[in-house]
Parts: sequence; C-alpha cells; structure tokens
Amino acid sequence: ETGVTQTPRHLVMGMTNKKSLKCEQHLGHNAMYWYKQSAKKPLELMFVYSLEERVENNSVPSRFSPECPNSSHLFLHLHTLQPEDSALYLCASSQWGQAGDNEQYFGPGTRLTVT
Amino acid sequence: DAKTTQPTSMDCAEGRAANLPCNHSTISGNEYVYWYRQIHSQGPQYIIHGLKNNETNEMASLIITEDRKSSTLILPHATLRDTAVYYCIVSRASGGSYIPTFGRGTSLIVHP
Repeated sequence: ETGVTQTPRHLVMGMTNKKSLKCEQHLGHNAMYWYKQSAKKPLELMFVYSLEERVENNSVPSRFSPECPNSSHLFLHLHTLQPEDSALYLCASSQWGQAGDNEQYFGPGTRLTVT
Repeated sequence: DAKTTQPTSMDCAEGRAANLPCNHSTISGNEYVYWYRQIHSQGPQYIIHGLKNNETNEMASLIITEDRKSSTLILPHATLRDTAVYYCIVSRASGGSYIPTFGRGTSLIVHP
C-alpha cells in the first residue's frame, strides 16, 4: 500500500475519445505530480501542483489537461490523443517546501494505449 | 542543477551486498541525494535520502563521500525481488521546493 491510488489501471482509447485519469493520495501531502513514462525512456515530468495551484507545466501538449480540485485529488483529462501518447502515466505526491522533506510517493500508474 | 551519473547496469548474486554508485560532482550545499527504485512496470518507490551524513533504514544504507561528490546505495543482502532500476537523484529547486529529475538509472539484476 503506497498511499497513492490511480484509476483506471489500464485504458484503451481511440484518438477521438475523451477520458480522464484519476489519482488520489491518502498521505496528507500538499503537492501532486503527473509523469509520463514511454517504453525504455526515463520518467518525464508533465505537471506539478502545489496547494492546488499549478507550479510547473513542462511543455505538455494541450490535449492533456490537468485538474487539481483539492490537495488529495489530481486528474488528467485526455482528448484527441495520438498513438505516440501511449505510455505509463504515473501520479506522485509529496510535501512541498523544505529540502530533505519532499520524497515522492508514486501510484501504480495507468497503462494507456491509444489506438 | 546538479546532475547524476550512474552505471547503466549491474548484477549481483542473491544474498550478497549490492553496491550501487552515483556521481553528483556539481551538487550544491543544500541539495539532498535521493534514491528511488522502479520494479518493472510499477511506480517508482522511494528508498532513502541524505545530505552529508550516512543514512540507514530498513531498506538500504546510503554512504555519501565527505566532499559530497558521490554516493553509494547499499542493499546489504540482495534478493531476487530487488531486481529493479535504481535512480540516484539530486532534486532541483523550483518555486519554493525541490523536484526530482529522473534519469535512466542503474538496472540491477539479482541472480540466484
């Protein structure tokens, strides 16, 4: 039990579909993150939220739209994706602020396949 | 931003100690060294972190050199379940906090 859950675990969607990924953390953290991991590539940071405000957006295409309604929940809304967006999408949470106190805890990921 | 250098792969016999090195020669005074691991197709798992003193927890030990330019993660008695990619990270400062940047890590294979 990592304290960070993600749903769904697997998702297959067509390029014209709209879907959402959900992440929930039960660790009392105040920062949440979305990462993308393509096959045999390092994790790519997509978005960072601190206290429900987006603090980082790493040149992610607009077909990915994050939402953070509160410090425990994070969503990634998907629309008109491309096959190259197929990847493992990982959510993480941590404390925000002082160095040495912000280790990240990850969810199990959503395996997304775009057909 | 401090960057890290790790060997691409290592292997270790089950029951022996696994020593995973990391170079971070550009680390600055207030930056911590973090270690994570990722078992195939799972989310990364936090292992340990340190600033300048050696650290130990139930998973591993972290040895940081006195000049802080390198560190070693030690798994004292490796098991087959320790086969994973191990990431050594020096978090970069961003907007009032510190965010890890994951590289390619070291692929550790523990064999019987």
